[in-house]
Amino acid sequence: DQQVKQNSPSLSVQEGRISILNCDYTNSMFDYFLWYKKYPAEGPTFLISISSIKDKNEDGRFTVFLNKSAKHLSLHIVPSQPGDSAVYFCAASALGTSYGKLTFGQGTILTVHP
Amino acid sequence: GAGVSQSPSNKVTEKGKDVELRCDPISGHTALYWYRQSLGQGLEFLIYFQGNSAPDKSGLPSDRFSAERTGGSVSTLTIQRTQQEDSAVYLCASSLDLPSYEQYFGPGTRLTVT
Repeated sequence: DQQVKQNSPSLSVQEGRISILNCDYTNSMFDYFLWYKKYPAEGPTFLISISSIKDKNEDGRFTVFLNKSAKHLSLHIVPSQPGDSAVYFCAASALGTSYGKLTFGQGTILTVHP
Repeated sequence: GAGVSQSPSNKVTEKGKDVELRCDPISGHTALYWYRQSLGQGLEFLIYFQGNSAPDKSGLPSDRFSAERTGGSVSTLTIQRTQQEDSAVYLCASSLDLPSYEQYFGPGTRLTVT
């Protein structure tokens, strides 16, 4: 039962262009969503988050959009840089029931070409 | 300050043996989580500790898995009678008291069961 899905295993983008990573979820109890970035041989690092009371959150080059009716969120990176090349995981949590326990998607490998 | 540390970084064991994986969370973080990432999969929640509350063990895949957290700090994940399907990267994360959802991950322990 995959409650959080990232349907694109990989994405390749040219430096300077926009990267759009997508994530879908099925559990309507989820009310907090996060994106993590992971380099090889390292643990995931927190990137950006959004609460279900918002539909957009922006932090520098990173913007997360949430469409609750479609149960869909996306991460936009603009402009993309070669150092952004990593695996990106979206994660979700149900505030009232799971104490911050995160459910992760399978990840999307982003490659940004110089 | 120091991040989350895990040891060993790599562990190769024979099927049927017991293993112990250690996690040192960030000082002052009261919440501690264990996840695992199998090949090609997203992160799978295993267990969660929060202060003196009873741990949330809902993600442990079988009774061969157990974890403890001593003195509200260091945690040990024990896998008894290891099986080949236990091969994965085991990740530990910690966070401040809720409602912080920003979990800080360690580099993980790569477990290989032969």
